[in-house]
Amino acid sequence: QVHLVQSGAEVKKPGASVKVSCKASGYTFTTYDVSWVRQAPGQGLEWMGWITPYNGNTNYAQRLQGRVTMTTDTSTRTTSMELRSLRSDDTAVYYCARGGTHRSGWSFDYWGQGTLVSVSS
Amino acid sequence: QSALTQPASVSGSPGQSITISCTGTSSDVGGYNYVSWYQQHPGKVPKLIIYDVSNRPSGVSNRFSGSKSGNTASLTISGLQAEDEADYYCSSYTSSSTLDVVFGGGTKLTVL
Repeated sequence: QVHLVQSGAEVKKPGASVKVSCKASGYTFTTYDVSWVRQAPGQGLEWMGWITPYNGNTNYAQRLQGRVTMTTDTSTRTTSMELRSLRSDDTAVYYCARGGTHRSGWSFDYWGQGTLVSVSS
Repeated sequence: QSALTQPASVSGSPGQSITISCTGTSSDVGGYNYVSWYQQHPGKVPKLIIYDVSNRPSGVSNRFSGSKSGNTASLTISGLQAEDEADYYCSSYTSSSTLDVVFGGGTKLTVL
């Protein structure tokens, strides 16, 4: 049974950084890419980027380039997403999701439970 | 890159069928068969219900179906049930240089 379990909610001040982790189980970790999608309160879904666990390749949304870094640790089956220079409009629920690349037809078949990141002074 | 265009809301009575549209361009919906649909109940995690335009993952009811014509994809839900009341999002691969996947703005389905 596939599970993606994310780290807990975070409260940050503007300008700070946040790192959200996503631990996978129930499938061969290096076989599937992991993507990150965020959802601001009351808003829609926004694609942030993806990482390939077996080689660490990444691709990020251009609007987040320079502020976001995705990493993976195959020994712990964990993917992490760090967002820097936080602004109030980064307040959102951040989801990790399996897939979201050409290897999975650009769809996300399993999702983490979400991590609320609140940015406020 | 603009989001794909979905109606903000649709409604239907139990037992009826409804269709939600998702309009993009030839750079996304119209150019590739990589349209997906997600169902999200309030406060819950999105759930994949359609991938590759018209395929259902295992365990998803056959009351959900997807199609595409030109730059517009559609999700049809037949035999509406109260439990179908949720937000629905489409997504597509995009050849844009700024991102790989674009989502629609979401459609709130109300079962009357």
